[in-house]
Amino acid sequence: GAGVSQSPRYKVAKRGQDVALRCDPISGHVSLFWYQQALGQGPEFLTYFQNEAQLDKSGLPSDRFFAERPEGSVSTLKIQRTQQEDSAVYLCASSQGQGRSPTQYFGPGTRLTVL
Amino acid sequence: DQQVKQNSPSLSVQEGRISILNCDYTNSMFDYFLWYKKYPAEGPTFLISISSIKDKNEDGRFTVFLNKSAKHLSLHIVPSQPGDSAVYFCAASASGGSNYKLTFGKGTLLTVNP
Repeated sequence: GAGVSQSPRYKVAKRGQDVALRCDPISGHVSLFWYQQALGQGPEFLTYFQNEAQLDKSGLPSDRFFAERPEGSVSTLKIQRTQQEDSAVYLCASSQGQGRSPTQYFGPGTRLTVL
Repeated sequence: DQQVKQNSPSLSVQEGRISILNCDYTNSMFDYFLWYKKYPAEGPTFLISISSIKDKNEDGRFTVFLNKSAKHLSLHIVPSQPGDSAVYFCAASASGGSNYKLTFGKGTLLTVNP
């Protein structure tokens, strides 16, 4: 079946612009995660949803970052007033959810470049 | 403070030989471990996982070993193939509650030479 998809794959923004990154998880996956991967580093956790509930947003680096998953499927990560330090690859992952396999499956990522 | 460490940034092996990638962790709450492979411009691809109730898990050419007392795990690839050349990430999670967020190492670049 289809894996996790993300759009756009590449985004260039001028400093101060707002951006929105979309994630389509694997159908039926309850849990959805966002990660940020800087160059030469491993992915770092941003936020976690179980269905439409955002249960953990401890990794969001500032209040400029906002994520939602209103119907428990597609999720959007929004970054307001982008800064150069926001340049990174943003990865989305989904898993079956609590009590089932915790293995997370990743999308291809969105590479954000802030000029 | 890095909770998951992959101390070798790179590893080079000959085709057909064994590749051993290592990972250390510091958080004793971690009880589920995964290895991902990543090609350039793609997302991480799940390879193999192991629960802390086991010390070994095997899937084809891939075997993961877990030494809980040493807080160390390793990924063995036998025999190595040129298509295995990629960055390998070790990841860990603490399964308490419903949040299985992963903590990743920085990755090891594996190059398999023909």
